[in-house]
Formats: sequence, structure tokens, C-alpha cells
Amino acid sequence: DAKTTQPNSMESNEEEPVHLPCNHSTISGTDYIHWYRQLPSQGPEYVIHGLTSNVNNRMASLAIAEDRKSSTLILHRATLRDAAVYYCILTLGNSGNTPLVFGKGTRLSVIA
Amino acid sequence: EAGVAQSPRYKIIEKRQSVAFWCNPISGHATLYWYQQILGQGPKLLIQFQNNGVVDDSQLPKDRFSAERLKGVDSTLKIQPAKLEDSAVYLCASSQAGLADTQYFGPGTRLTVL
Repeated sequence: DAKTTQPNSMESNEEEPVHLPCNHSTISGTDYIHWYRQLPSQGPEYVIHGLTSNVNNRMASLAIAEDRKSSTLILHRATLRDAAVYYCILTLGNSGNTPLVFGKGTRLSVIA
Repeated sequence: EAGVAQSPRYKIIEKRQSVAFWCNPISGHATLYWYQQILGQGPKLLIQFQNNGVVDDSQLPKDRFSAERLKGVDSTLKIQPAKLEDSAVYLCASSQAGLADTQYFGPGTRLTVL
């Protein structure tokens, strides 16, 4: 799987938007971009995924650069419950049937 | 819908002892994964099952780790004998077969080897 690069940590104020960046300059044409997050003392949970177009769901938005070499996870209004480690992962195809290769992720702190 | 269940949640053992972890995936999920997460790192795949067959166990330390998935439902991961470096959280995840978009993770079992 292609490698991703994320900042080690980020901080946000509560109710502010948060933009979490991810670089994946060696992405191939068939790689999907997935985001998972891990709340304290819990297993990871799926957030969102995309291939080429921007995606929105109830949790977040995913903005994918036109050349697909980077992407940004957007939390529209951070809450204290969003404090977690966020992982940007590339997979060949959907993540359900492909082992996930996790990096260290970005630890997001949310300040009240 | 019930999530992925794991037990025990915590386990403390002495080195060279044996330990087993149990996972019950979401009903109907054909694919099951075991991941190991060492403190401060992201999870790392140990083994992947499709129904009761092994798809990928290339990263499983087979001299001490074993896993099985009887009848394609529940799974057990065993360590025998345990080493200090096996201290970690062991995560189980499951997904539907086919074009599944996501893996669903259990809460994990935190193992401490003294």
C-alpha cells in the first residue's frame, strides 16, 4: 500500500471547523483514500472514504486534491467527542476486504 | 445492530504463560481481522480470515501466535508462550464480504505481560 504522511498532532477550539491534512504523493490510480479515527480506549471507527471526488457524510467531509496527491478531512464543527487519533489510509479497493495499513495518524485535541 | 464483541477486555500475565482472546464479529460478516496495536502506534494486521479460511497470516509470528475461526463465526487468538513485547491491545474487526466499504472494530483486549 502507498504511504501517507500526516502531522503528528493538531489542536482545535470547540465548535470551530477542523481541517486534517494527509499527503499521499505516491498514490496509484486505483487506491481509495480512507479515514478512520480512534477515540480513547476504543477500536478504530470508519469516518469516510473517497476515490476522486469530494465526499460528504454525517460525520465529515473529504476534500481530494485534483492530482489526488493529498486530501483533507474536514470536521465542520469540532466537539469534545471528536478528540481522537485520525488515520489516513490508502487501500486498493474498498476497505472492507483489504487489510488496513495504519500509520501513526494525527492526534486531534479539542479545547473547550 | 450489535457491534464486534471481544473478551476479555484486560488481561495481565507473566512472561512464558499462555493467553487466549475471543472475538464475536457482527452477524453475517464473512471477513474477520486480528490487529495488534502497541502503545503509541497504529494497529498492525496479524491475520485475516474469509469465512473459516485464512486469507493472510504473513505477519503472524507463528512460533508463538495461533488463530482459528471455527464455523466461520467466532475467532480465537492465542499466544503461547507470551513475551514482554507482546504487551499491546489486540483488536478484532469484521466486514461484509464483497464490496464492503468499512471494517468494524471491537473495543480490543489490552494485554500486559510482566
